[in-house]
Amino acid sequence: EPEVTQTPSHQVTQMGQEVILRCVPISNHLYFYWYRQILGQKVEFLVSFYNNEISEKSEIFDDQFSVERPDGSNFTLKIRSTKLEDSAMYFCASSEHGADYNEQFFGPGTRLTVL
Amino acid sequence: GEDVEQSLFLSVREGDSSVINCTYTDSSSTYLYWYKQEPGAGLQLLTYIFSNMDMKQDQRLTVLLNKKDKHLSLRIADTQTGDSAIYFCAESPTRSGGYNKLIFGAGTRLAVHP
Repeated sequence: EPEVTQTPSHQVTQMGQEVILRCVPISNHLYFYWYRQILGQKVEFLVSFYNNEISEKSEIFDDQFSVERPDGSNFTLKIRSTKLEDSAMYFCASSEHGADYNEQFFGPGTRLTVL
Repeated sequence: GEDVEQSLFLSVREGDSSVINCTYTDSSSTYLYWYKQEPGAGLQLLTYIFSNMDMKQDQRLTVLLNKKDKHLSLRIADTQTGDSAIYFCAESPTRSGGYNKLIFGAGTRLAVHP
């Protein structure tokens, strides 16, 4: 069964460093998303991406964040200068449709630890 | 605003029914979802309900929707140890142009004991 994959599973970085989290969505999906979950808190929407551009972003997704689909298979989230409060589990998701019934398929997540 | 609330923990005995409750705020959500997360895995869609339905049954799962009170519940009949996981309620507010994001609750950790 097709699945969303994410690498790495765990990333440890120093505050101020840049990190790139990688995702491979399901191949025929057109809509891509990043969410994050700080330990013990809710899963929060960060950004949605369609047709090579951001379609919606949350207040969390400030200038330090960017997303890219560098080729036909990868979808990346870059954090330019990490802060302690960026420590969280980051989930990538993809869906075939964007509106109405919108089953999003999630990857296993990347745990980001900022020291 | 957009907010989803659910209780954080539920403990049940194997064979009993589990009921996980959720409240949401955005009445524009056309679909409401229940996702399940097992240890080390991503969120997996368990079931969903269309907003004009009151109830949906899918094998051991029953979803009840009270649109007036914006209350959603998930009932798992004959709960098994394999049902132990975190269950997330999610709404999907409708926006012009589509591309509906999911708004999640904090997740309810279901522990099933013998």
